[in-house]
Amino acid sequence: EAQVTQNPRYLITVTGKKLTVTCSQNMNHEYMSWYRQDPGLGLRQIYYSMNVEVTDKGDVPEGYKVSRKEKRNFPLILESPSPNQTSLYFCASSARGRRSYEQYFGPGTRLTVT
Amino acid sequence: KQEVTQIPAALSVPEGENLVLNCSFTDSAIYNLQWFRQDPGKGLTSLLLIQSSQREQTSGRLNASLDKSSGRSTLYIAASQPGDSATYLCAASNSGGGADGLTFGKGTHLIIQP
Repeated sequence: EAQVTQNPRYLITVTGKKLTVTCSQNMNHEYMSWYRQDPGLGLRQIYYSMNVEVTDKGDVPEGYKVSRKEKRNFPLILESPSPNQTSLYFCASSARGRRSYEQYFGPGTRLTVT
Repeated sequence: KQEVTQIPAALSVPEGENLVLNCSFTDSAIYNLQWFRQDPGKGLTSLLLIQSSQREQTSGRLNASLDKSSGRSTLYIAASQPGDSATYLCAASNSGGGADGLTFGKGTHLIIQP
């Protein structure tokens, strides 16, 4: 089954404790993105990647890092999480093809930083 | 930089009515536009994808239109049902050409009264 998976789905952590949210897709997609969703602000893009070793900032990259060492994986790293990073996070992937750049989303990771 | 606006922010209608949700975007050079549904606290369900070369797409009781020249898309829901209650999100491909992800509107919160 074609899908985007994220782990963990739920995470409660404390300020300053480094964490990684994993994202993996099995569709051989070139393009991947991370978004965060906050009440009243909607979904905003954090980072995106157009290929292995190619990443770029989205609208709200501060406090986050990403890496793309393999085509299928695009982990989101919070090196020193803060309470303002409490949010619902989504990973997405897409490819150029018949349905140009249609975005496929993972199930979301709900992060709480205390 | 792409910006997406959705009107209205909230809508409540009796069951059985036909309704229209509106979406506008600022950069008409889009590759595609996607409509999503989101239930409270849940992930995104893709409803319809309209590619830039298309004017509309249909799926069951849903019909989405795209007018690139005016920067507008509409989602038409026929014969609404209580199960249609959710937040509907419109997202336009970013200004980088589609591979760099989506810009989302803040959504229309729809309530269908039984």
